[in-house]
Amino acid sequence: KAGVTQTPRYLIKTRGQQVTLSCSPISGHRSVSWYQQTPGQGLQFLFEYFSETQRNKGNFPGRFSGRQFSNSRSEMNVSTLELGDSALYLCASSYGLAGMRGETQYFGPGTRLLVL
Amino acid sequence: TQLLEQSPQFLSIQEGENLTVYCNSSSVFSSLQWYRQEPGEGPVLLVTVVTGGEVKKLKRLTFQFGDARKDSSLHITAAQPGDTGLYLCAGKTGANNLFFGTGTRLTVIP
Repeated sequence: KAGVTQTPRYLIKTRGQQVTLSCSPISGHRSVSWYQQTPGQGLQFLFEYFSETQRNKGNFPGRFSGRQFSNSRSEMNVSTLELGDSALYLCASSYGLAGMRGETQYFGPGTRLLVL
Repeated sequence: TQLLEQSPQFLSIQEGENLTVYCNSSSVFSSLQWYRQEPGEGPVLLVTVVTGGEVKKLKRLTFQFGDARKDSSLHITAAQPGDTGLYLCAGKTGANNLFFGTGTRLTVIP
Protein backbone atom coordinates (compact mmCIF):
# COMPACT_ATOMS: atom_id res chain seq x y z
CA LYS A 1 0.00 0.00 0.00
CA ALA A 2 1.26 3.47 -0.81
CA GLY A 3 1.77 5.74 2.18
CA VAL A 4 0.41 9.20 2.78
CA THR A 5 1.59 11.62 0.14
CA GLN A 6 1.75 15.38 0.36
CA THR A 7 2.33 17.93 -2.36
CA PRO A 8 4.20 20.07 -2.78
CA ARG A 9 7.09 19.13 -0.50
CA TYR A 10 8.52 22.64 -0.40
CA LEU A 11 6.94 26.00 -0.97
CA ILE A 12 8.06 29.61 -0.75
CA LYS A 13 5.47 32.37 -0.57
CA THR A 14 5.39 36.03 0.38
CA ARG A 15 3.31 37.72 3.04
CA GLY A 16 -0.29 38.31 2.01
CA GLN A 17 -0.40 35.48 -0.50
CA GLN A 18 -2.50 32.39 -0.09
CA VAL A 19 -1.45 28.76 -0.38
CA THR A 20 -3.11 25.39 -0.91
CA LEU A 21 -1.53 22.16 0.27
CA SER A 22 -2.66 18.72 -0.79
CA CYS A 23 -2.76 15.38 1.00
CA SER A 24 -3.59 11.93 -0.36
CA PRO A 25 -4.32 9.43 2.42
CA ILE A 26 -3.57 5.74 2.47
CA SER A 27 -6.07 3.88 0.32
CA GLY A 28 -9.14 3.01 2.37
CA HIS A 29 -8.49 5.58 5.08
CA ARG A 30 -11.35 7.97 5.60
CA SER A 31 -9.90 10.40 8.11
CA VAL A 32 -7.33 13.09 7.35
CA SER A 33 -5.83 15.30 10.02
CA TRP A 34 -3.61 18.34 9.51
CA TYR A 35 -0.91 19.57 11.85
CA GLN A 36 1.46 22.52 11.96
CA GLN A 37 4.93 21.86 13.31
CA THR A 38 7.34 24.61 14.33
CA PRO A 39 10.46 24.52 16.51
CA GLY A 40 8.87 26.81 19.07
CA GLN A 41 5.34 25.42 19.31
CA GLY A 42 5.88 21.78 18.44
CA LEU A 43 3.16 19.77 16.73
CA GLN A 44 -0.16 21.59 16.80
CA PHE A 45 -3.46 20.16 15.58
CA LEU A 46 -5.24 22.16 12.88
CA PHE A 47 -8.30 20.10 11.94
CA GLU A 48 -9.56 16.65 11.09
CA TYR A 49 -11.83 15.63 8.25
CA PHE A 50 -13.82 12.43 8.05
CA SER A 51 -16.20 11.59 5.21
CA GLU A 52 -15.89 15.11 3.79
CA THR A 53 -16.93 16.73 7.09
CA GLN A 54 -14.74 18.62 9.53
CA ARG A 55 -14.98 16.67 12.79
CA ASN A 56 -12.41 18.38 15.00
CA LYS A 57 -10.75 21.76 14.91
CA GLY A 58 -7.73 23.16 16.69
CA ASN A 59 -7.15 26.68 17.91
CA PHE A 60 -6.09 28.39 14.69
CA PRO A 61 -7.48 31.55 13.06
CA GLY A 62 -10.02 31.39 10.27
CA ARG A 63 -7.27 32.01 7.71
CA PHE A 64 -6.62 28.29 7.98
CA SER A 65 -9.25 26.17 6.27
CA GLY A 66 -9.55 22.78 4.73
CA ARG A 67 -11.75 20.43 2.85
CA GLN A 68 -11.99 16.78 1.99
CA PHE A 69 -13.16 15.25 -1.24
CA SER A 70 -15.24 12.15 -1.84
CA ASN A 71 -12.08 10.11 -2.50
CA SER A 72 -10.78 11.18 0.96
CA ARG A 73 -8.06 13.40 -0.50
CA SER A 74 -7.78 16.61 1.45
CA GLU A 75 -6.58 20.13 0.87
CA MET A 76 -5.57 22.78 3.33
CA ASN A 77 -5.67 26.47 2.51
CA VAL A 78 -4.01 29.36 4.28
CA SER A 79 -5.04 32.83 3.20
CA THR A 80 -3.26 36.14 3.82
CA LEU A 81 -0.01 34.46 4.79
CA GLU A 82 2.00 35.81 7.70
CA LEU A 83 5.68 35.29 8.51
CA GLY A 84 4.64 33.16 11.48
CA ASP A 85 2.94 30.68 9.18
CA SER A 86 6.35 29.36 8.14
CA ALA A 87 6.29 25.77 9.29
CA LEU A 88 6.19 22.12 8.36
CA TYR A 89 2.60 21.15 7.62
CA LEU A 90 1.92 17.50 8.24
CA CYS A 91 -1.01 15.45 7.12
CA ALA A 92 -1.96 12.16 8.73
CA SER A 93 -4.54 9.58 7.74
CA SER A 94 -6.39 6.90 9.67
CA TYR A 95 -9.24 4.54 8.93
CA GLY A 96 -11.51 6.08 11.57
CA LEU A 97 -11.31 9.23 13.64
CA ALA A 98 -7.76 9.63 14.92
CA GLY A 99 -8.80 9.92 18.55
CA MET A 100 -10.80 6.69 18.58
CA ARG A 101 -9.46 3.82 20.64
CA GLY A 102 -7.38 1.49 18.53
CA GLU A 103 -6.89 3.94 15.66
CA THR A 104 -3.42 4.61 14.33
CA GLN A 105 -2.42 7.68 12.37
CA TYR A 106 0.05 7.46 9.51
CA PHE A 107 1.87 10.65 8.69
CA GLY A 108 3.02 12.00 5.37
CA PRO A 109 6.46 13.60 4.90
CA GLY A 110 5.03 17.10 5.20
CA THR A 111 5.08 20.29 3.20
CA ARG A 112 7.67 22.81 4.31
CA LEU A 113 6.29 26.31 3.84
CA LEU A 114 8.49 29.37 4.01
CA VAL A 115 6.82 32.77 4.09
CA LEU A 116 9.04 35.71 3.22
CA THR B 1 -3.34 24.46 26.08
CA GLN B 2 -0.51 21.93 26.15
CA LEU B 3 -1.72 18.85 27.96
CA LEU B 4 1.42 16.78 27.58
CA GLU B 5 4.83 17.99 28.73
CA GLN B 6 7.91 16.06 27.69
CA SER B 7 11.29 16.18 29.36
CA PRO B 8 14.00 16.74 28.64
CA GLN B 9 13.40 18.96 25.65
CA PHE B 10 16.85 18.23 24.24
CA LEU B 11 19.17 15.32 24.95
CA SER B 12 22.63 14.67 23.54
CA ILE B 13 24.39 11.48 24.56
CA GLN B 14 27.23 9.21 23.50
CA GLU B 15 26.61 5.97 21.67
CA GLY B 16 26.11 3.13 24.12
CA GLU B 17 24.59 5.21 26.92
CA ASN B 18 21.13 4.68 28.34
CA LEU B 19 18.46 7.36 28.50
CA THR B 20 14.90 7.97 29.64
CA VAL B 21 12.39 10.41 28.20
CA TYR B 22 9.31 11.43 30.16
CA CYS B 23 5.83 12.44 29.11
CA ASN B 24 3.71 13.98 31.87
CA SER B 25 0.21 15.34 32.17
CA SER B 26 -2.42 16.20 34.73
CA SER B 27 -5.03 14.61 32.46
CA VAL B 28 -5.98 10.96 32.22
CA PHE B 29 -5.60 9.31 28.84
CA SER B 30 -7.34 6.24 27.50
CA SER B 31 -4.16 5.35 25.64
CA LEU B 32 -0.79 6.84 24.90
CA GLN B 33 1.38 6.59 21.83
CA TRP B 34 5.05 7.25 21.14
CA TYR B 35 6.30 8.43 17.78
CA ARG B 36 9.76 9.06 16.33
CA GLN B 37 10.32 11.68 13.68
CA GLU B 38 13.47 11.88 11.60
CA PRO B 39 14.54 14.97 9.67
CA GLY B 40 12.53 15.53 6.53
CA GLU B 41 9.91 12.95 7.43
CA GLY B 42 6.65 12.72 9.32
CA PRO B 43 6.35 11.03 12.72
CA VAL B 44 6.24 7.24 12.73
CA LEU B 45 4.34 5.34 15.39
CA LEU B 46 6.55 3.24 17.67
CA VAL B 47 4.07 1.88 20.21
CA THR B 48 0.65 2.28 21.79
CA VAL B 49 0.07 1.57 25.50
CA VAL B 50 -3.46 1.30 26.79
CA THR B 51 -3.44 -0.15 30.30
CA GLY B 52 -2.21 1.64 33.44
CA GLY B 53 1.14 0.15 34.46
CA GLU B 54 1.63 -1.48 31.08
CA VAL B 55 5.20 -2.04 29.91
CA LYS B 56 6.05 -2.74 26.28
CA LYS B 57 9.44 -3.54 24.84
CA LEU B 58 10.56 -2.92 21.29
CA LYS B 59 14.14 -4.23 20.98
CA ARG B 60 16.21 -1.71 22.99
CA LEU B 61 13.22 0.56 23.68
CA THR B 62 11.04 0.11 26.77
CA PHE B 63 7.78 2.01 27.11
CA GLN B 64 5.80 2.34 30.31
CA PHE B 65 2.35 3.77 30.94
CA GLY B 66 1.83 5.18 34.42
CA ASP B 67 -0.54 3.43 36.79
CA ALA B 68 -2.89 6.42 36.75
CA ARG B 69 -2.64 6.73 32.97
CA LYS B 70 -1.40 10.32 33.26
CA ASP B 71 2.23 9.81 32.33
CA SER B 72 4.57 7.63 30.34
CA SER B 73 8.27 7.02 29.89
CA LEU B 74 10.49 5.79 27.11
CA HIS B 75 13.78 4.15 28.05
CA ILE B 76 16.46 3.41 25.47
CA THR B 77 19.24 1.00 26.32
CA ALA B 78 22.64 1.28 24.63
CA ALA B 79 21.62 4.14 22.35
CA GLN B 80 22.80 4.07 18.76
CA PRO B 81 23.15 6.89 16.21
CA GLY B 82 20.11 5.49 14.41
CA ASP B 83 18.02 6.40 17.46
CA THR B 84 18.58 10.08 16.74
CA GLY B 85 15.35 11.93 16.14
CA LEU B 86 12.43 13.77 17.67
CA TYR B 87 10.41 11.64 20.06
CA LEU B 88 6.78 12.60 20.52
CA CYS B 89 4.21 11.23 22.89
CA ALA B 90 0.51 11.53 22.09
CA GLY B 91 -2.40 10.86 24.37
CA LYS B 92 -6.00 10.03 23.56
CA THR B 93 -8.74 11.27 25.86
CA GLY B 94 -12.11 9.77 26.62
CA ALA B 95 -13.62 12.33 24.26
CA ASN B 96 -11.66 10.75 21.42
CA ASN B 97 -9.29 13.67 21.05
CA LEU B 98 -5.60 13.21 20.36
CA PHE B 99 -2.99 15.51 21.91
CA PHE B 100 0.71 15.59 21.11
CA GLY B 101 3.46 16.30 23.58
CA THR B 102 6.08 19.02 23.32
CA GLY B 103 8.72 16.61 21.99
CA THR B 104 12.22 15.48 22.97
CA ARG B 105 14.99 15.92 20.45
CA LEU B 106 17.57 13.17 20.90
CA THR B 107 21.04 13.20 19.39
CA VAL B 108 23.25 10.13 19.75
CA ILE B 109 26.88 10.90 19.06
CA PRO B 110 28.96 8.09 17.52
